[in-house]
Amino acid sequence: EAQVTQNPRYLITVTGKKLTVTCSQNMNHEYMSWYRQDPGLGLRQIYYSMNVEVTDKGDVPEGYKVSRKEKRNFPLILESPSPNQTSLYFCASSLMVGSGELFFGEGSRLTVL
Amino acid sequence: GESVGLHLPTLSVQEGDNSIINCAYSNSASDYFIWYKQESGKGPQFIIDIRSNMDKRQGQRVTVLLNKTVKHLSLQIAATQPGDSAVYFCAETRPGTYKYIFGTGTRLKVLA
Repeated sequence: EAQVTQNPRYLITVTGKKLTVTCSQNMNHEYMSWYRQDPGLGLRQIYYSMNVEVTDKGDVPEGYKVSRKEKRNFPLILESPSPNQTSLYFCASSLMVGSGELFFGEGSRLTVL
Repeated sequence: GESVGLHLPTLSVQEGDNSIINCAYSNSASDYFIWYKQESGKGPQFIIDIRSNMDKRQGQRVTVLLNKTVKHLSLQIAATQPGDSAVYFCAETRPGTYKYIFGTGTRLKVLA
């Protein structure tokens, strides 16, 4: 089954404690992206990757890092989480931008205390 | 459940009626558009897409209409069912960019 898998689905952490949200896709997609979703603001792009070792900032990259060492994986790293990073995070992938459907994961609800 | 949009516009329709959800997109150069459905606590799900060389595309119970003159996209759902209750939003992309731009969404409520 074609899917994007994120882990963890739910996480409560404290300010400053580094965490990683993993994302994996099984569709051999080149494009992967991370979004955060906050009430009234819609989906905002954090980082994206066009292919292995090719990443770039989205609209709200501050406080986040990513890596793309393998085609299937695109982890989101919060080196020193802060309460304003409390949000619902989505990973997504597509073959290429504009080439077809952008597949989303089920989301990761992060709370930073 | 998750509150993905506390201040979203809401469309309430009677079960069995047709629904029309609208989206104004931002850039006349955008050439690919997608409609997504997001149920509470879940990730967005693809409904239907359309390219800028088309005005209309139909799927199962859904139709997307594209009006490039006024940069307007609509999603029509025929015979709306309780399972259609969700937040719906549109996305656009344009050539030469690496981004999908998302609308903030409309909440559809189906009344029994």
